[in-house]
Amino acid sequence: GIQVEQSPPDLILQEGANSTLRCNFSDSVNNLQWFHQNPWGQLINLFYIPSGTKQNGRLSATTVATERYSLLYISSSQTTDSGVYFCAVETGTASKLTFGTGTRLQVTL
Amino acid sequence: GAGVSQTPSNKVTEKGKYVELRCDPISGHTALYWYRQSLGQGPEFLIYFQGTGAADDSGLPNDRFFAVRPEGSVSTLKIQRTERGDSAVYLCASSLTFGNTIYFGEGSWLTVV
Repeated sequence: GIQVEQSPPDLILQEGANSTLRCNFSDSVNNLQWFHQNPWGQLINLFYIPSGTKQNGRLSATTVATERYSLLYISSSQTTDSGVYFCAVETGTASKLTFGTGTRLQVTL
Repeated sequence: GAGVSQTPSNKVTEKGKYVELRCDPISGHTALYWYRQSLGQGPEFLIYFQGTGAADDSGLPNDRFFAVRPEGSVSTLKIQRTERGDSAVYLCASSLTFGNTIYFGEGSWLTVV
């Protein structure tokens, strides 16, 4: 099956800093989504982005499907950004999202 | 409802018992998914429904696990003869149709003692 690797695995930021999270995948994908899992376990969908660039407030994401990676940018980080960020992909041969290994982000004051 | 609703939010059961977990998807969403998440890991796919039918159940770990969605809305995940290794958070999600943005519920935390 498809492999989805995220980097870095852990990240500690001071409030106000910017960061880039990366998601690499091993095969062509039809669907790529980014999620934030807050410290209480709730998974929130951030972006549906199989290709191109999208922005939502302080967050933006870019997927370069031909090179099999996606980036999530967090600008001016806040403590509420803490949690685990997952990318998840779906290929044309499987009707499911396969989740990556996650990046655990901690934003400190 | 406004979001995906799952019940119970927490369940502690004894090894060998039968458990049912319920999911009420976002109104109008035809696609429904069950995932399982163990501590420190990402969610793992269990089963996907399109309407009433299980379109892909390749993630169910064994025949103790079964899920239904009889009327194309609410779904129930059923686990027979629970084992300690079944302890995890069971997440339900829905999307308007397959391949669209997917929305997760808050999960059902299952502990088998």
